[in-house]
Amino acid sequence: DAGVIQSPRHEVTEMGQEVTLRCKPISGHNSLFWYRQTMMRGLELLIYFNNNVPIDDSGMPEDRFSAKMPNASFSTLKIQPSEPRDSAVYFCASSLGTSGPSGYTFGSGTRLTVV
Amino acid sequence: SQQGEEDPQALSIQEGENATMNCSYKTSINNLQWYRQNSGRGLVHLILIRSNEREKHSGRLRVTLDTSKKSSSLLITASRAADTASYFCATDADNAGNMLTFGGGTRLMVKP
Repeated sequence: DAGVIQSPRHEVTEMGQEVTLRCKPISGHNSLFWYRQTMMRGLELLIYFNNNVPIDDSGMPEDRFSAKMPNASFSTLKIQPSEPRDSAVYFCASSLGTSGPSGYTFGSGTRLTVV
Repeated sequence: SQQGEEDPQALSIQEGENATMNCSYKTSINNLQWYRQNSGRGLVHLILIRSNEREKHSGRLRVTLDTSKKSSSLLITASRAADTASYFCATDADNAGNMLTFGGGTRLMVKP
């Protein structure tokens, strides 16, 4: 398995533009998580899906953020309109629950810069 | 607020020395996990310890868990320069379903 695949690796966009981040989880994993990492706030959970259904989106900072998981092999995180304070590294992770020995598998992240 | 808090925030040691990082948490947990993050990369799962376990080993890693003190420690023995990374603890709390809550991490530097 190639692991959790995120795209793009880097994104530079102008303030006000729409940004879409993509994630392909590990096949067979039934949980998917979107995290944001910044120096100031550390690693923050934005939203969590179980069996493609959003379970907890309380970490989504504003209505400008939205996430979808149309099927078990694909998820998107969209920011519209983007703002400079959205600049961060966004990670997607998947898991088959946390009761097993392997925990979460993280992608390599998307480094977003909004100018 | 973060469930897990690592201590120290930064640690610098010489190659060959042992590195100990601590994690404290606030609520009862199902399990606690440790992850490593190399610069510019995603987090990598290292080890999971369940709430009914007190100690676990994996290679040069040793994890302890004290649920009475709500704390855990990660010991890396005979450290190598390649161990330089940030280390995070994460808790799977009783009331958090399937979600992990991560601490702020410890930045470890191992000097050759």
